[in-house]
Amino acid sequence: DVKVTQSSRYLVKRTGEKVFLECVQDMDHENMFWYRQDPGLGLRLIYFSYDVKMKEKGDIPEGYSVSREKKERFSLILESASTNQTSMYLCASSLLGTPGPQHFGDGTRLSIL
Amino acid sequence: RKEVEQDPGPFNVPEGATVAFNCTYSNSASQSFFWYRQDCRKEPKLLMSVYSSGNEDGRFTAQLNRASQYISLLIRDSKLSDSATYLCVVPNTGNQFYFGTGTSLTVIP
Repeated sequence: DVKVTQSSRYLVKRTGEKVFLECVQDMDHENMFWYRQDPGLGLRLIYFSYDVKMKEKGDIPEGYSVSREKKERFSLILESASTNQTSMYLCASSLLGTPGPQHFGDGTRLSIL
Repeated sequence: RKEVEQDPGPFNVPEGATVAFNCTYSNSASQSFFWYRQDCRKEPKLLMSVYSSGNEDGRFTAQLNRASQYISLLIRDSKLSDSATYLCVVPNTGNQFYFGTGTSLTVIP
């Protein structure tokens, strides 16, 4: 069965900290995505990657960076956390090229104090 | 115009009712469409995929109208457990996905 695993369900950090969110998928998918979801705003794409070491900016990349050193792992980095980055973060993966669905991890609810 | 638009609702229906949601999309070249269900504070979970005119799975039916560029989700015999937000998702040509803002459904006893 499809599995996307995010490293933490809940995380509390302080402003200015560097925060790492990890995501691992076991489906050999080429595409991986990071979204944030806020009430009333829906899912917004932060970054995505279609191959190892490749990354593309999404709609709201400011304040974030990503790393994809291995095909199965996609990391989201908050360089200097701020309170407006308090949100639900969702990782997803999908196959490259085919119009198949995305599969989501459980989400990380991040609070920046 | 947004790439994908949904009526946010909320839809409040009694148990056993039939309810339908619509989702309009802007790209006439779109080939696949997805409905996800999202429970409060949980991740979206794939409910149905639509690649041609429609799809049916038990009480759930998705229909595609290419001429009018919308897809619908029909839920028959609603259960309390169907209460959730339903997201319409349409892939673009660049391996990205467009999400609707979701339609909220509450099934009332």
